[in-house]
Amino acid sequence: EPEVTQTPSHQVTQMGQEVILRCVPISNHLYFYWYRQILGQKVEFLVSFYNNEISEKSEIFDDQFSVERPDGSNFTLKIRSTKLEDSAMYFCASSDRGPRHTNTGELFFGEGSRLTVL
Amino acid sequence: RKEVEQDPGPFNVPEGATVAFNCTYSNSASQSFFWYRQDCRKEPKLLMSVYSSGNEDGRFTAQLNRASQYISLLIRDSKLSDSATYLCVVNTPRGYNKLIFGAGTRLAVHP
Repeated sequence: EPEVTQTPSHQVTQMGQEVILRCVPISNHLYFYWYRQILGQKVEFLVSFYNNEISEKSEIFDDQFSVERPDGSNFTLKIRSTKLEDSAMYFCASSDRGPRHTNTGELFFGEGSRLTVL
Repeated sequence: RKEVEQDPGPFNVPEGATVAFNCTYSNSASQSFFWYRQDCRKEPKLLMSVYSSGNEDGRFTAQLNRASQYISLLIRDSKLSDSATYLCVVNTPRGYNKLIFGAGTRLAVHP
């Protein structure tokens, strides 16, 4: 069964360091997302990406964050200068359907990358 | 008011019990509704979509009341494997599948 894969599964970094989280979405999917979940809290939307550009982003996704699809398979999230409050599980997700379709919403999530900022 | 509000948990039930979860959402223009399941420290996985007429998938029944902006999930004949956090999820009226997650309701099924 096709799946979304994420690396690394866990990264520990010092405050102020740059971090890149990597994702390989399902191959025929066109819509890509990053969500995050701080321990014990709800899953929060960060950004959506379609046709090589950001479609939508949340207030969390400030200038310290960026996304890129450098080739045909990878989708990355970069945090330029990490803060303690960036510690969270970061989930990549993909879907094959966009907002014009009914029954949208089945996002396929990767297993997540746990980021710990010290 | 929170965008998506759920019953506070945890729900501790014996095997075989029937349990119901409730959820309300604030944006009346939302169009798509879902229940996701999340196991401890794992990724969310779609359990079922919620349709206006209500829908059933085996032991799971989902209902939607647009007038009240209310969604429910009923689990019959609970199994130990149903133990998880159940996330009520709503899309935004515009946007590329931007999903808004509730905080989740934790279910613990015991023997």
